[in-house]
Parts: sequence; C-alpha cells; structure tokens
Amino acid sequence: DVKVTQSSRYLVKRTGEKVFLECVQDMDHENMFWYRQDPGLGLRLIYFSYDVKMKEKGDIPEGYSVSREKKERFSLILESASTNQTSMYLCASSLAAGGNNEQFFGPGTRLTVL
Amino acid sequence: AQSVTQLDSQVPVFEEAPVELRCNYSSSVSVYLFWYVQYPNQGLQLLLKYLSGSTLVKGINGFEAEFNKSQTSFHLRKPSVHISDTAEYFCAVSEPKTGFQKLVFGTGTRLLVSP
Repeated sequence: DVKVTQSSRYLVKRTGEKVFLECVQDMDHENMFWYRQDPGLGLRLIYFSYDVKMKEKGDIPEGYSVSREKKERFSLILESASTNQTSMYLCASSLAAGGNNEQFFGPGTRLTVL
Repeated sequence: AQSVTQLDSQVPVFEEAPVELRCNYSSSVSVYLFWYVQYPNQGLQLLLKYLSGSTLVKGINGFEAEFNKSQTSFHLRKPSVHISDTAEYFCAVSEPKTGFQKLVFGTGTRLLVSP
C-alpha cells in the first residue's frame, strides 16, 4: 500500500520558534509538494521539489523554506513561526515522466502558532 | 494559466438524494482532470481522474464525473448519497506534458449529508 507519512498530526508552537514539518514517501516518487490548506482558500502550493536537492517556489513561499536531502524525504521549515502560519499543512508526492500527475497525499499536520 | 472554479462552497443534501458538485476549469490546452475527497481530519484521497478517452469517468464509492470540453466542465455526481459521503471535495487540473507538472486545485465544495 502506497504511503505518504507526516511526522505530526497536531503541533502547537510559539511565535518566533523554528518549526520543522517532515514528510516521507515510500513510492520512489521524484516529485514532492508542500501545501497549506485554509478554509475558503483551498490548497495553496508553498514549495515543490522534482529531485533531490532541487526545489522551486510555489504560490506562497514567503516565510517558508524546504529541504530535500534524500529522495523519500521532504521537509518544510518555518524559520520564525508567526500566528498567520496557523494552518493545515499537507504533503504530497507524484511520479515524474510516465506518470499522469496524480498526487498522493499525507494525512496532514495541523499547526497552531500561539 | 490554468484555473479551477468550484462554484458552490457548500452543498447540503438529504441522505439517498442525488448530488452534483460543479467544477469548471480554464486552460488553453488539453488537460488531465481530478476529483479528490477529504474526510474530516484526513488528507486528500483520489476519487477519480480523466486522462483521455471516454468522457464519463467512474470512481470509487459510486461517484462519477463527466468531462465536457465545450463547456470546460468536469462535474461530479452520485445518484444516491450516504451520510458517510459528508466531506470536502476538490477538483484539480493539470497539463499532460512530459516532465514536471503541478496540479491546480479549486477552493473546494463541502458536501453535507443529513438524515
């Protein structure tokens, strides 16, 4: 059974803290994505990666960075958390060439920044 | 640039009634289309996808969708809903090119099924 796992389901942090969200996939997918989901706004792409050590900005990268040191792992970093980063964060992965762009999602991390 | 419009933010319906969730997209090229479902406190799960061929696509849990190129629509339907279908539904589009392609998502439609 294919799987995308995220390190935490719920996370509470304080303003100014550095926050790491981890995502691991076991499908040998080349592409990995980080989204945030807010009511009424749907899914917004923060960053994506199409290969190890490669990253591209999505639609809302400000305040975030990412790291991909291994193919199966994609980390989202909030350098200095702020209250407006309270949200649901979803990780996804997909095949590159030969795929149909279908993305497989993790269960999400609900982050609250106080 | 591609975009997806889900006209209804919320659709209330009674159990065993039919339902249609609307999705329109804009794209200047051919597309792949997807419907995802998100149950409370979970990630997204693929319901169905249109890649090519027959315009009527059947998915899991009794859902189906019809691709209409002239109306640039991909509406999701179910003839008889259950309480367990209560969830948020997202329509998404991408371009069938080789190499890396993103999915563009709509803002979602919350389906509320009541007894």
